[in-house]
Amino acid sequence: GQSLEQPSEVTAVEGAIVQINCTYQTSGFYGLSWYQQHDGGAPTFLSYNALDGLEETGRFSSFLSRSDSYGYLLLQELQMKDSASYFCAVRDQGGSYIPTFGRGTSLIVHP
Amino acid sequence: DAGITQSPRYKITETGRQVTLMCHQTWSHSYMFWYRQDLGHGLRLIYYSAAADITDKGEVPDGYVVSRSKTENFPLTLESATRSQTSVYFCASSDGGAQGSYEQYFGPGTRLTVT
Repeated sequence: GQSLEQPSEVTAVEGAIVQINCTYQTSGFYGLSWYQQHDGGAPTFLSYNALDGLEETGRFSSFLSRSDSYGYLLLQELQMKDSASYFCAVRDQGGSYIPTFGRGTSLIVHP
Repeated sequence: DAGITQSPRYKITETGRQVTLMCHQTWSHSYMFWYRQDLGHGLRLIYYSAAADITDKGEVPDGYVVSRSKTENFPLTLESATRSQTSVYFCASSDGGAQGSYEQYFGPGTRLTVT
């Protein structure tokens, strides 16, 4: 079977740095994605890692370690608008993309 | 308008009724998906389609039917709605990795209440 573990909630203050972890157990592994979802909105794509290492996109970075079955999303210079749910999703089939989503992490940013 | 749209955005129906949720995308993406989102469960895949006339079950398919006669449309039908199907339903599409990012594009969602 497949399972992804994320913390249910993370809190931080404006301007800080926060890391949201995702560990996975899947029969196969081809890549890890991250999505952001604001209350009442639709999930939106943030990043995709297929190879080990850190990928940076502005204030957001995503890291993957395939040997540890682990990844994280790093948010820097937190802003109030970053308060949202963050989902990791694993691509576990080659040749197609049928993702399995984690249950999501609610990030609360305080002033 | 380009993008992915869902209709209706809100729906209240009674137990036992049939209801169809519509999804339309303008990118000609090969893959389309239906998810339901409930508190504490994240996004759970109901059905997906890799191309027109090709559909397959996801994690929670019971009580749902899909079809895909055209690439751009992927309707989801609840044949006999039950209260447990009260949820927010998201449709999504993807090019299946053709551009390398495997990004899914989500519609705005349909909030369905079964009374």
